[in-house]
Amino acid sequence: GNSVTQMEGPVTLSEEAFLTINCTYTATGYPSLFWYVQYPGEGLQLLLKATKADDKGSNKGFEATYRKETTSFHLEKGSVQVSDSAVYFCALISDNFNKFYFGSGTKLNVKP
Amino acid sequence: DAGVTQSPTHLIKTRGQQVTLRCSPKSGHDTVSWYQQALGQGPQFIFQYYEEEERQRGNFPDRFSGHQFPNYSSELNVNALLLGDSALYLCATGSGSHNEQFFGPGTRLTVL
Repeated sequence: GNSVTQMEGPVTLSEEAFLTINCTYTATGYPSLFWYVQYPGEGLQLLLKATKADDKGSNKGFEATYRKETTSFHLEKGSVQVSDSAVYFCALISDNFNKFYFGSGTKLNVKP
Repeated sequence: DAGVTQSPTHLIKTRGQQVTLRCSPKSGHDTVSWYQQALGQGPQFIFQYYEEEERQRGNFPDRFSGHQFPNYSSELNVNALLLGDSALYLCATGSGSHNEQFFGPGTRLTVL
């Protein structure tokens, strides 16, 4: 079956620290992988995506590389800001119906 | 071009009542998926509508039903509400030929 596992939070960092949020997946077929961000009281915003192995998605300083050999899609950012504080969800689509499978989310707190 | 819209923003109901949530897709989108996001969890797939028919369904009871209209907008109906139905309900819309989807801001349902 299809599933996504994320590292548990919360993750607390100081401003300008390096961020890694781990994400691994199990999927049938050839999934597309996504990172979504959710700010308090809001819906989901697409942060980045990758549709095939070795692709790197990037946006707003965040990056994630689709690693088929390790079934991983870890999110990284070199220097976090207080405004990056949010919940981050890793997700995949692995069928023709574009149904998302989400991880449980990782809350990031960035302190000034 | 408006993005995905949902109404209402917030809703408070009591146990046993029925509720209807609405989603209007982004222009050009013909597929609507509904997700339930309980507090502290990732979104869970409820069902998907395409060409006015339910195309795929997640692991939710028959109390959850839906409809898609000729203009591609959609409703989610939940009957006999339980306390556990309290959640953020998200809709995501897309077009049949692409796997990118856009999420609406969600409807926060509280069942007392």
